[in-house]
Amino acid sequence: EAQVTQNPRYLITVTGKKLTVTCSQNMNHEYMSWYRQDPGLGLRQIYYSMNVEVTDKGDVPEGYKVSRKEKRNFPLILESPSPNQTSLYFCASSSWGRGSPEAFFGQGTRLTVV
Amino acid sequence: AQSVSQHNHHVILSEAASLELGCNYSYGGTVNLFWYVQYPGQHLQLLLKYFSGDPLVKGIKGFEAEFIKSKFSFNLRKPSVQWSDTAEYFCAVNAGGGSQGNLIFGKGTKLSVKP
Repeated sequence: EAQVTQNPRYLITVTGKKLTVTCSQNMNHEYMSWYRQDPGLGLRQIYYSMNVEVTDKGDVPEGYKVSRKEKRNFPLILESPSPNQTSLYFCASSSWGRGSPEAFFGQGTRLTVV
Repeated sequence: AQSVSQHNHHVILSEAASLELGCNYSYGGTVNLFWYVQYPGQHLQLLLKYFSGDPLVKGIKGFEAEFIKSKFSFNLRKPSVQWSDTAEYFCAVNAGGGSQGNLIFGKGTKLSVKP
């Protein structure tokens, strides 16, 4: 079954404590991205990756890092989380360059930073 | 920069009413267009998509959308909504005709259907 898997689903942490949210896809997609969803603001892209070792900033990259060492994995790293990073995070993957960039989304990670 | 506008923040309808959610985008070139739905507490799921051809696209659960190039619009419609359609709906655009995987989302429209 085609899927994007995020872990953890829920996380409560304290300010400044480094954390990583993992994302893995089994569709051999080149393109992966991270979004945060906040009430009234929709989905805003944090970072994206067009392939292994190729990453770039989205609209709201401050305070986040990513890496793409393998095609299937695209972890989101918060080196020093702050309360304004409390949000619902979604990872997505899609194929591209073939005219069918439908994005598949993970189940989401609800992060609370206190 | 590309952008997507969804005009309605929150729409409240009674069951069996007709639905139309507006979506406009700003990009002059070739686009792929999508509507995603997010049921309460769940992730985004694809409702329908337009790449080329017939501008009237039919999706799952009785939804359809019409691409009007001259108006830069891709409005979502359903003739008769059900309580189970209560969800948030997101319009998204991929600019460049699929050459990039990047999706730009609108801010979403929350639909509440009263039984």
